[in-house]
Amino acid sequence: DAGVIQSPRHEVTEMGQEVTLRCKPISGHNSLFWYRQTMMRGLELLIYFNNNVPIDDSGMPEDRFSAKMPNASFSTLKIQPSEPRDSAVYFCASSFMGQGSYFGPGTRLTVT
Amino acid sequence: GDSVTQMEGPVTLSEEAFLTINCTYTATGYPSLFWYVQYPGEGLQLLLKATKADDKGSNKGFEATYRKETTSFHLEKGSVQVSDSAVYFCALSSGNTGKLIFGQGTTLQVKP
Repeated sequence: DAGVIQSPRHEVTEMGQEVTLRCKPISGHNSLFWYRQTMMRGLELLIYFNNNVPIDDSGMPEDRFSAKMPNASFSTLKIQPSEPRDSAVYFCASSFMGQGSYFGPGTRLTVT
Repeated sequence: GDSVTQMEGPVTLSEEAFLTINCTYTATGYPSLFWYVQYPGEGLQLLLKATKADDKGSNKGFEATYRKETTSFHLEKGSVQVSDSAVYFCALSSGNTGKLIFGQGTTLQVKP
């Protein structure tokens, strides 16, 4: 298996622009998670889906952030409009029945 | 709510030294416990796990035993290598969604 796939690996954008991060989970996994990692705040869970349904989005920082999972093999995290404080590494992870999450390589986002 | 506490880092050791990174948890019920490792510039990798009391997880020379009586899951390795330098995260998961509660991470530096 190719593992969790994320794209792009790096994204540099200007403040105010829309950013879309993409994730393909491991085939057969039923849960998907979006995390953000920064030096200041460490690793934060933003939102997670179970069987494509959003279960808990309490970690989404603001209405500028939205996430979708239209099917079992694809999810997006969108930031609109982006701000410099959104600069971070964003990780997607997937899991099967709580047996441990497998993380993607991350997307390093820089907003100037 | 559920929580995980790890020893503060950084931990600096010489090659071939014995490693212990302490982890304790608070949880209702019987969570699964995990150790993840993050090498510089990479995503988190599942290192080992234990799903019930007295289970021992092991991988790549690392071990951790699920101790219900002390609510602990300490990570150990008998002889560390420079290549083990990374950030180590302890985590727990309750239920079958796979949602993880992470500790703050412990940085390990191994010097030749």
